[in-house]
Amino acid sequence: GQQVMQIPQYQHVQEGEDFTTYCNSSTTLSNIQWYKQRPGGHPVFLIQLVKSGEVKKQKRLTFQFGEAKKNSSLHITATQTTDVGTYFCAVSGYSTLTFGKGTMLLVSP
Amino acid sequence: DGGITQSPKYLFRKEGQNVTLSCEQNLNHDAMYWYRQDPGQGLRLIYYSQIVNDFQKGDIAEGYSVSREKKESFPLTVTSAQKNPTAFYLCASKVMESSYNEQFFGPGTRLTVL
Repeated sequence: GQQVMQIPQYQHVQEGEDFTTYCNSSTTLSNIQWYKQRPGGHPVFLIQLVKSGEVKKQKRLTFQFGEAKKNSSLHITATQTTDVGTYFCAVSGYSTLTFGKGTMLLVSP
Repeated sequence: DGGITQSPKYLFRKEGQNVTLSCEQNLNHDAMYWYRQDPGQGLRLIYYSQIVNDFQKGDIAEGYSVSREKKESFPLTVTSAQKNPTAFYLCASKVMESSYNEQFFGPGTRLTVL
């Protein structure tokens, strides 16, 4: 199945700093999804990207899908303590998802 | 409220015992999934089912078994053959016929084998 590499594995920022996590694949992806998992919680769907070069925004979160559809990024502007958690990218197979290992974000006030 | 329920939230078992984790959904979703989550490993697919009375192995099915007798229910049994069963187990579901592949997750069961 398809595999995705997600970097960095962990990032610690001061509140107000920006944060970016990247998801990379060696093969062309049909689409990519992003999930957030709060500490002790379960993954929650954030967004799905389908089109080459697609950019979508959700308040302070910006999601991008690469032109070649082999990579994606999630950027958070001016992080807040509520952004703490692990962010996963996931790629679709026929009926399943393959998740990256996630980027754990810690935000210090 | 519509959603996915998993019970119990925490589960302790002695080594060598089988244990069954419950997953119920009232979202009328066709597909259901079981994942295992270990620290730093992301989510790994154990089993999935797209229709009642049918299921497929995921990437790490060894030592696990499932059943899908009802659309709403997809219980997972962790058998004594699973060598390292202590983990966080997540159940998920989704609509099959949809342009979105979004999966909805339950709150999870944290299994500790002593």
